[in-house]
Amino acid sequence: QVQLVQSGAEVTKPGSSVKVSCKTSGGTFSSYVISWVRQAPGQGFEWMGGIIPELNAAHYAQKFQGRVTFTADESTSTAYMELSSLRSEDTALYYCARDYRDFHESRGVFGSWGQGTLVSVSS
Amino acid sequence: HSALTQPASVSGSPGQSITIPCTGTSNDVGAYNYVSWYQQHPGTPPKLLIYDVYNRPSGVSDRFSGSKSGNTASLTISGLQAEDEADYYCASYTKTSIRLFGGGTKLTVL
Repeated sequence: QVQLVQSGAEVTKPGSSVKVSCKTSGGTFSSYVISWVRQAPGQGFEWMGGIIPELNAAHYAQKFQGRVTFTADESTSTAYMELSSLRSEDTALYYCARDYRDFHESRGVFGSWGQGTLVSVSS
Repeated sequence: HSALTQPASVSGSPGQSITIPCTGTSNDVGAYNYVSWYQQHPGTPPKLLIYDVYNRPSGVSDRFSGSKSGNTASLTISGLQAEDEADYYCASYTKTSIRLFGGGTKLTVL
């Protein structure tokens, strides 16, 4: 059973950065896309992009290009998402999600999800 | 890319069947059979119900089924039960390799 455990809630100020971690266990880490998806309060989901750990290859949604960085540490099976230049509209629950199939067949099917990390941006 | 279109809410009585549509374009839903559906209960992460339009992961009840016609995919829940009350989201792979979600549908079991 694949499990994804994310870091705790963050309270940040506008203009700052936040880094969220996502530690996986119970399955293969390196060959599966880890995506980051956010959910603003009372809203739907927004895909931010994903990373293939064994290739260190990241794909970012255009909206977040230049402001978000995904990294992965294969030695600890942990993925990271860093979002900079935070604004109030970035207040959301941030999820990591592992693809259902390995990256060769990855087509955006999110098979396992972390518990979510609440990032609050307020002055 | 705009979000996929879902009705904000649907409702049904126990034992009935309901269908939730998810409308996209020829660049996403209509382009490939890579539509998935997720169930989210309050305060919990989403759960994968359907992938590749029709397929259920092991452990998902066969009361949940998926279909697609043109640019619209649909999730059908048959034999509605109280525990099916939740939010449901569709998602699609797109021609530009981005992933799009629907706005979500709140299912109320009357």
